[in-house]
Amino acid sequence: NAGVTQTPKFRILKIGQSMTLQCAQDMNHNYMYWYRQDPGMGLKLIYYSVGAGITDKGEVPNGYNVSRSTTEDFPLRLELAAPSQTSVYFCASSYEVQETQYFGPGTRLLVL
Amino acid sequence: GQNIDQPTEMTATEGAIVQINCTYQTSGFNGLFWYQQHAGEAPTFLSYNVLDGLEEKGRFSSFLSRSKGYSYLLLKELQMKDSASYLCAVLSNDYKLSFGAGTTVTVRA
Repeated sequence: NAGVTQTPKFRILKIGQSMTLQCAQDMNHNYMYWYRQDPGMGLKLIYYSVGAGITDKGEVPNGYNVSRSTTEDFPLRLELAAPSQTSVYFCASSYEVQETQYFGPGTRLLVL
Repeated sequence: GQNIDQPTEMTATEGAIVQINCTYQTSGFNGLFWYQQHAGEAPTFLSYNVLDGLEEKGRFSSFLSRSKGYSYLLLKELQMKDSASYLCAVLSNDYKLSFGAGTTVTVRA
């Protein structure tokens, strides 16, 4: 099993550009999550999904969108990149909500 | 909302013991996780407590007191590879995981 994979590993965006961060898991997990991690701060939940076709907002959803058309994939969309979105983005998955979350390797995003 | 506090940094000597405390205030409680995160890497699972008491797993142990809103992670026989950030995370009633800012542990020879 590859576990949770994320692409790209690193990206530089100009203000106003858009991009999609890809996340996939091959563990047949129901739950998937997107977090952002800023220096000296804890991980903040952006969006999460409890299964294909179902998504919901986390703590910091503004400026982002998600979709969950399959169990495996959970892409995160940035429509109009802003410097405040410079961060490290982690995707995670779990089989049940009270079980361990497995994290992908992260995507480092720099918005200039 | 959630309020999770843990110390920013701790330093200890190889072979020693370090205890990382975490206090929390949440709207409901469904368990507390500890994750380890090495610099530039993803968090990895260490422990999960949902009932009061001590959970031991090799050199690492985690304790929970729900009435006090308190947990600690105990790292014994410290090794250089234990230098990392340790994240306390609380699962609330709405089943969302909230993370503390993390405690950076530096192990010195």
